[in-house]
Order: sequence, then structure tokens, then C-alpha cells
Amino acid sequence: DTEVTQTPKHLVMGMTNKKSLKCEQHMGHRAMYWYKQKAKKPPELMFVYSYEKLSINESVPSRFSPECPNSSLLNLHLHALQPEDSALYLCASSQARAQQETQYFGPGTRLLVL
Amino acid sequence: GESVGLHLPTLSVQEGDNSIINCAYSNSASDYFIWYKQESGKGPQFIIDIRSNMDKRQGQRVTVLLNKTVKHLSLQIAATQPGDSAVYFCAENRGTSYDKVIFGPGTSLSVIP
Repeated sequence: DTEVTQTPKHLVMGMTNKKSLKCEQHMGHRAMYWYKQKAKKPPELMFVYSYEKLSINESVPSRFSPECPNSSLLNLHLHALQPEDSALYLCASSQARAQQETQYFGPGTRLLVL
Repeated sequence: GESVGLHLPTLSVQEGDNSIINCAYSNSASDYFIWYKQESGKGPQFIIDIRSNMDKRQGQRVTVLLNKTVKHLSLQIAATQPGDSAVYFCAENRGTSYDKVIFGPGTSLSVIP
């Protein structure tokens, strides 16, 4: 299995809603990532989990809250988002063994905040 | 067809021609580079990578060239096909850790049948 899956594919939420994005991989990878991608822009790193511990938070607002329940799952909890948070949210994973390794991406969740 | 630096975000090529997508990087400490292909509505897909101790690497129909002197990376696609239409991102590993990957701005490749 060389796939990273993400649910839901699409999400529409109001600014007062609470929702969660989910990501799953069964490649035995021990690093998982959340990226945000705006239209016609490259992915921007938000969070990195390494061995289920948060290792990088790229100064992301607290209305985004990541969670790594186990080595295969990664969640992103959303609360009180703003319309400018509308974007494609990508999850990725990698082995977390070497300095140079490839990240494998899921298809993303397209989020619209109204 | 060929894209130039980071200021030409689109590239159109005729089906069957070769494509060259260029990327400049700024950090001389970067030692690992990856090319990703992103089709509309999908996540980035790994195409090919290269380490800084190499200057060329070939895959199936793709070749990546690395020129560390001028900090330049290119992706060559042979016999471009309609299925190659996508946005192509170069990405660099800037640190000593696996998680420090920075993406370039991307080039949109359109293949004309």
C-alpha cells in the first residue's frame, strides 16, 4: 500500500463551525505533514509530526489544531476559521529515517470557509 | 519548449516534443531535490529526485539535471504526452533533517495535441 488517503474530499464550513480533516497512511512512515495550498501556489508547510510528536509548527494560527493519535493517523481540527483559510489542505508522509527522503502526498481536502 | 527561471509560470508544448522545466534555488546548503507533478484536483505526485553529489539522473521519459554552480535544476520530459499536462514543482531539502522541504513556485505545463 503506497497511498495516503484523506477525508473528506471537500468541506464547506461556516466561521463558527468545528470540523476535522483526517489523513491515513499504511506505509509504516513515521513522519506526517500538513500543508496548505492556495490556488496557483506551491504547498506551504504547516505542521510536522515525527514519531507521533509535533516537531514543527510553522507559526500556524491556533484555530488550526493538529493531532496524531497513532503512527498511521493524522488529524487537523478546525475551529473559528476565516474565509482566507479556504484552500486545499494536503497531508503527506515520509519514512523519517534519513536526511534525504521523499514525501508522499494525499489527494487533499478542498476547504471552503463561508 | 522551455520555461525560463521562476518568472514564466506557464509552458506550452506540442505533443511529441521534449519539454524542459527550469527551477532556481537559493540555498547552497540544499542537498536533495525533488520534482513533483500536480494534476488538477490532486495532490503532488513524486516524479524523480536527485542528490547534490549527482548532476544528472534519468527516469522513465524524465531526466533531472542539477547545476550546483549556478544553483539551477531542470526537468526534461521526452516525447511529451497530453497526460503530462500538470503543474510541476521543484522542491529542495534545505536542512539536515528530512522534514525541511521547500517548494518552488511551480510551472504549469500544457500539452497541445
